[in-house]
Amino acid sequence: GEDVEQSLFLSVREGDSSVINCTYTDSSSTYLYWYKQEPGAGLQLLTYIFSNMDMKQDQRLTVLLNKKDKHLSLRIADTQTGDSAIYFCAGLSGGSYIPTFGRGTSLIVHP
Amino acid sequence: ETGVTQTPRHLVMGMTNKKSLKCEQHLGHNAMYWYKQSAKKPLELMFVYNFKEQTENNSVPSRFSPECPNSSHLFLHLHTLQPEDSALYLCASSQALAGGPNEQFFGPGTRLTVL
Repeated sequence: GEDVEQSLFLSVREGDSSVINCTYTDSSSTYLYWYKQEPGAGLQLLTYIFSNMDMKQDQRLTVLLNKKDKHLSLRIADTQTGDSAIYFCAGLSGGSYIPTFGRGTSLIVHP
Repeated sequence: ETGVTQTPRHLVMGMTNKKSLKCEQHLGHNAMYWYKQSAKKPLELMFVYNFKEQTENNSVPSRFSPECPNSSHLFLHLHTLQPEDSALYLCASSQALAGGPNEQFFGPGTRLTVL
């Protein structure tokens, strides 16, 4: 099955770019996801990328996928204090219908 | 109501109590999930229902009992819990267990404390 790893914390200054990294183990993964969890809330899907793509951009968010290294990243441009949250990476193994989640990266944005 | 709702938002119970968590989705989805979120641990999948049929029980202790009376409602019945069961319980739904990205939509969770 899939195993997803990500660092636990990231601290950035407001206005800078944030890059959150994730590695996964299953080379047959079909979809990879980024979810955001704000305090006191459930997870919210931010974006996902299909495995035949290597980049996806959506406004301030850029997802990069390196299939060779099984590495996924989420770049947030012009990070704001409202971006402070926990970001979860998840992967969907080939043949599975339910994604496997990482432990989440706490993003702290300071003035 | 829109999206996925969960009640109650907070619950404190003793180890001998019986309580139930409720989840309702207003998205017309056919798959529903229970997850447990504990501090410093990965999100743990507990149960999955697809078109009201349970398709996954991830070795969850029998003191947790799910119920899915229809595709819009999901319950988690709790009985004789342990303090280590204290966690945030998240409900999610998706269109169905089928090919494609299977985007999951989460509720806000129930914060459970077992004394």
